[in-house]
Amino acid sequence: AQSVAQPEDQVNVAEGNPLTVKCTYSVSGNPYLFWYVQYPNRGLQFLLKYITGDNLVKGSYGFEAEFNKSQTSFHLKKPSALVSDSALYFCAVRDGDNDMRFGAGTRLTVKP
Amino acid sequence: DVKVTQSSRYLVKRTGEKVFLECVQDMDHENMFWYRQDPGLGLRLIYFSYDVKMKEKGDIPEGYSVSREKKERFSLILESASTNQTSMYLCASSPGGLAGIMNTQYFGPGTRLTVL
Repeated sequence: AQSVAQPEDQVNVAEGNPLTVKCTYSVSGNPYLFWYVQYPNRGLQFLLKYITGDNLVKGSYGFEAEFNKSQTSFHLKKPSALVSDSALYFCAVRDGDNDMRFGAGTRLTVKP
Repeated sequence: DVKVTQSSRYLVKRTGEKVFLECVQDMDHENMFWYRQDPGLGLRLIYFSYDVKMKEKGDIPEGYSVSREKKERFSLILESASTNQTSMYLCASSPGGLAGIMNTQYFGPGTRLTVL
């Protein structure tokens, strides 16, 4: 069965600095990978996905993620963090059926 | 825009009560899902449905049941609410088939349920 790990509960960065939120996955087949963001008292919003093709995928709000098959990772990145990026971020994986597995979430705090 | 709505944002119930959480989507999606979200545990799948009147157990179905009588509506039922069911409940929908596998799930705003 597929699984995903987010090794950091909390990530703190200063505004204007680059940010990385880490995600590693485990699947038996080809992975379909997703990143979501959740703002307080809101549902999850889709940021980006990797299905196939270019390992670097670009998504909403200036975020991007790099698929690394050898390291089974799909880290979320942004070149310059904004205070408004502060939120809870979830990585998720599917391996060919409709059952999606989510990580525990990483709380990103961007300080002015 | 895809819209997934949930009947309540906040709900307070007493132990032993029967609780209904309603979810409606307006995109004619075949698949619908119920998750619960708890700190440090992420989202855990309770039940999902890939068609009207069809349901499949997720990872934590105990204490819950679901109903899907119409394509747009997926209900989560807590037969006898307990304090350990205090949580945030999120509903989601997605297209069926290959489109669903390669696409995102669309989430509702969540229902924060407190069982006293």
